[in-house]
Amino acid sequence: AQSVSQHNHHVILSEAASLELGCNYSYGGTVNLFWYVQYPGQHLQLLLKYFSGDPLVKGIKGFEAEFIKSKFSFNLRKPSVQWSDTAEYFCAVNAWGYGSSNTGKLIFGQGTTLQVKP
Amino acid sequence: DTGVSQNPRHKITKRGQNVTFRCDPISEHNRLYWYRQTLGQGPEFLTYFQNEAQLEKSRLLSDRFSAERPKGSFSTLEIQRTEQGDSAMYLCASSLDWGQTAEQYFGPGTRLTVT
Repeated sequence: AQSVSQHNHHVILSEAASLELGCNYSYGGTVNLFWYVQYPGQHLQLLLKYFSGDPLVKGIKGFEAEFIKSKFSFNLRKPSVQWSDTAEYFCAVNAWGYGSSNTGKLIFGQGTTLQVKP
Repeated sequence: DTGVSQNPRHKITKRGQNVTFRCDPISEHNRLYWYRQTLGQGPEFLTYFQNEAQLEKSRLLSDRFSAERPKGSFSTLEIQRTEQGDSAMYLCASSLDWGQTAEQYFGPGTRLTVT
C-alpha cells in the first residue's frame, strides 16, 4: 500500500536557523508531490508542488524542496526560518499506475510540527 | 471569498445521532474530495467525486457514511449512528480536472465531537 513517512514529528528551531524536514514515500509509479502547511487556526495551504521537470522546486515564503527519485524522497528546506513559520507541515503524494486515470487522491504523512523561537 | 467553504465549522453530537456536513467547492472545480483528520495525524482520504459521480471510496468509509454531490456542485457527507471514534476534523477539497496535475484546495474543515 502507498504510504508517506515524515521522520520529524516535532522540530524546535531558533529564528534564522536552517530547516530541513524529511519526507519519504513508498510507491514506484508516477507521482506528484506536495508540501502543505497549516498555520495555527487556519486551513491547509499549498506550500509547493512537484509534477515533473526540475527536481528542485521553489514555493512560497522562501521554501524549497528537492525530489530525489532514487531515494523516494521529497525533503522540504528553508535556509533561514522566521517565527511566522511556526506551523504544521504535511508532505503528500498523489500516485497512479500506468494505464489508470489519476483521481488526484492524496496520501498524507503524519505531519511535522515546527516551532520557531523568536 | 472564492475558496472552499464548509458548514458547520463545529458540530457536537451525542453518540447514535446522525450528522450531515456540507462542502461548497470553488465554483469552476469539478473534482471534490473528502478527507478525515484525527489529532496528530495527516488527513486520510475518504471519497472522491468527479462532477456528480462518486468514483472512489476508501475502505475507511463504512456503511454508516454516505456522501453525495447532486448536480456536481456542493457536496454533503452524512454519518449515521455516530460513534465516538467518528470524532475528527472532516476536510473537503476541490480541484480542476486538467490532465495529471490536479492541485487541491482545502476548506477550513468541520470539527465533529461525538459525546
